Amino acid sequence: DIVMTQSPDSLAVSLGERATINCKSSQSVLYSSNNKNSLAWYQQKPGQPPKLFIYWASTRESGVPDRFSGSGSGTDFTLTISSLQAEDVAVYYCQQYYTTPYSFGQGTKLEIK
Amino acid sequence: QVQLQESGPGLVKPSETLSLTCTVSGYSISSGYYWGWIRQPPGKGLEWIGNIYHSGSTYYNPSLKSRVTISVDTSKNQFSLKLSSVTAADTAVYYCARVSCHSDTNCPPDYWGQGTLVTVSS
Repeated sequence: DIVMTQSPDSLAVSLGERATINCKSSQSVLYSSNNKNSLAWYQQKPGQPPKLFIYWASTRESGVPDRFSGSGSGTDFTLTISSLQAEDVAVYYCQQYYTTPYSFGQGTKLEIK
Repeated sequence: QVQLQESGPGLVKPSETLSLTCTVSGYSISSGYYWGWIRQPPGKGLEWIGNIYHSGSTYYNPSLKSRVTISVDTSKNQFSLKLSSVTAADTAVYYCARVSCHSDTNCPPDYWGQGTLVTVSS
């Protein structure tokens, strides 16, 4: 099974500053058929289901603000929020969908400093 | 707009079977896509349970495979989850979701239900 590990577990950033969340997979999730990484990022707010934000490691879902960006390849990935807004407070999860069992990171709680 | 809604008992006794149904609106299950279940214990992270195609083809998490059955009823535009021999460790919010690729299970879920809390307790 692929183990997904996020860092840090929690993060406090000032409004307008950059926030960076890391995700590492225990094996490569690069899909050879399309040369894309099978890695997604979700945002979850209290009492709500996760919301798909980024897939194929760097493609933003429709409606996601462009201050959110994803990067990385192979086993190391990053979610970056370029200028933190109050509405970005949430828990963020990465997920590999390269192979079953699909697995999620433990989550990173993002707060305002 | 695709919408999903979970339904089923909120309380299940230990050793019994948890049964949930996901009703899909805004899209016909028989037209494609995989459909799945994910769960989240209170205050914890997400665990993938399994996916199903309208043909009935399924993929399960091996950690739950011996206890899980996912089925589909295209006439009702629903799919269902059964988890047998439950314990307190199965207490979680259960989400149903649509997998984002039309005919490939190896894609992330894009549409999610609101989730339903199932508590295992006597």
